[in-house]
Amino acid sequence: DTAVSQTPKYLVTQMGNDKSIKCEQNLGHDTMYWYKQDSKKFLKIMFSYNNKELIINETVPNRFSPKSPDKAHLNLHINSLELGDSAVYFCASRISSGGEQYFGPGTRLTVT
Amino acid sequence: AQTVTQSQPEMSVQEAETVTLSCTYDTSESNYYLFWYKQPPSRQMILVIRQEAYKQQNATENRFSVNFQKAAKSFSLKISDSQLGDTAMYFCAFMKQNNAGNMLTFGGGTRLMVKP
Repeated sequence: DTAVSQTPKYLVTQMGNDKSIKCEQNLGHDTMYWYKQDSKKFLKIMFSYNNKELIINETVPNRFSPKSPDKAHLNLHINSLELGDSAVYFCASRISSGGEQYFGPGTRLTVT
Repeated sequence: AQTVTQSQPEMSVQEAETVTLSCTYDTSESNYYLFWYKQPPSRQMILVIRQEAYKQQNATENRFSVNFQKAAKSFSLKISDSQLGDTAMYFCAFMKQNNAGNMLTFGGGTRLMVKP
C-alpha cells in the first residue's frame, strides 16, 4: 500500500547511456514532481505536472525528458548520461487544492 | 523568486533535551505554506510539520512545534524531548499557495545529531 513508489531504487550506469526512472502514486493526487538532490544534499525542483500537463520546467538540460501517461504516473528519461547527473532523484505528489507533498523513496543514480 | 535559508549546517543535542532549528525565507507572496521535512539515513523525505501563512497560531505535532514569525519571515522548528530517532537532516521548505503545480523551495538543510 505504498503511497508514492519509484523504480528502481538504485541505478548504476556508464556515461553515455540512456536510462529511465518510473514513479507511481496511489493517493489520487493530480500533481506530480521530480526533484534532484545533489551530493551536498541540496534539493531542487526539476519538473512539475498537473493532470498530465507540464507546469514547471526548471533549467534542466534537454537530455532530461519527463513523461506523464496519466495522473498517477510520472516517468523521467535521461539521455546521454553524464557524471554530473549522479544524484538522488525524488518523485513527489500532491493534490493541487491541498498542501504538503508526499515523496517517494528516491532513486540513487550513479554514473561511472 | 523565493529563497529559504537554514543558517545551521549541523547541530547536536543530548537525548531528552530540546533543540531549535532556524529557518528564514524571502518572498513577496502573501499566501503560502511552510514545511519542515526530515530525511533520516534511509533518505526517505518525511513531513514533520506544516504551517499555513494565514494562520497566526503556531503549528504543533507532538514533540515538534514551530515558531512562525511572518513579519520577520522566520520559521524555526523546536524539537522537545529529543530522541535518538530524531537524528536526521532537516529541511525547511516554502511553497506558494493556490496554484496547481506549485513547487517546494528548500533550504540547504540542518544535520541534527541526537547523542545518548
